Amino acid sequence: GDSVTQMEGPVTLSEEAFLTINCTYTATGYPSLFWYVQYPGEGLQLLLKATKADDKGSNKGFEATYRKETTSFHLEKGSVQVSDSAVYFCALKDTGFQKLVFGTGTRLLVSP
Amino acid sequence: EAGVAQSPRYKIIEKRQSVAFWCNPISGHATLYWYQQILGQGPKLLIQFQNNGVVDDSQLPKDRFSAERLKGVDSTLKIQPAKLEDSAVYLCASSLETDTGELFFGEGSRLTVL
Repeated sequence: GDSVTQMEGPVTLSEEAFLTINCTYTATGYPSLFWYVQYPGEGLQLLLKATKADDKGSNKGFEATYRKETTSFHLEKGSVQVSDSAVYFCALKDTGFQKLVFGTGTRLLVSP
Repeated sequence: EAGVAQSPRYKIIEKRQSVAFWCNPISGHATLYWYQQILGQGPKLLIQFQNNGVVDDSQLPKDRFSAERLKGVDSTLKIQPAKLEDSAVYLCASSLETDTGELFFGEGSRLTVL
């Protein structure tokens, strides 16, 4: 079945460091890919998405590129801020299925 | 615009007791989802409603879990009787359209079963 694998956390960075959170997926069709973020005390919210191969999703300085050849959708940000501290979830939605499948989440901690 | 509302935020019960969670989705959102998030895991879909009807409940443990969405708006998720392994955060989400994968989540209801 469809699945998403994320790197384990926590990822601990200093402010202004470069961020990469790895995400790979397994799907039978041509899925759409998503990154959701959960800030402390808040619900999950959509950060960015990509619907087809080679698409790049971007939002709030974060980017992720849909790589079909490596079945990956890694999240990147050039310079993280303390306010980016949160849990990040990679997710996919396969064609023909309505279910959104989530990875286990990666906690990011950014220190000043 | 008001977000997805859930209550209660926290609930502690003993095993074999029952519990109910309530969700009010964003106005106009036809699709409503209940997810279970166990500590250290990603959210897992329990049930999805499209208006009043159930679209997917394949992962809902139907011997103890039930959910309804009356009049296509609010929804209630019930667990009876609860087990220790039901300790989790229960997330409600809604979406304007079914196929986009763009869900709006509430803050969740944290259940602890002792």
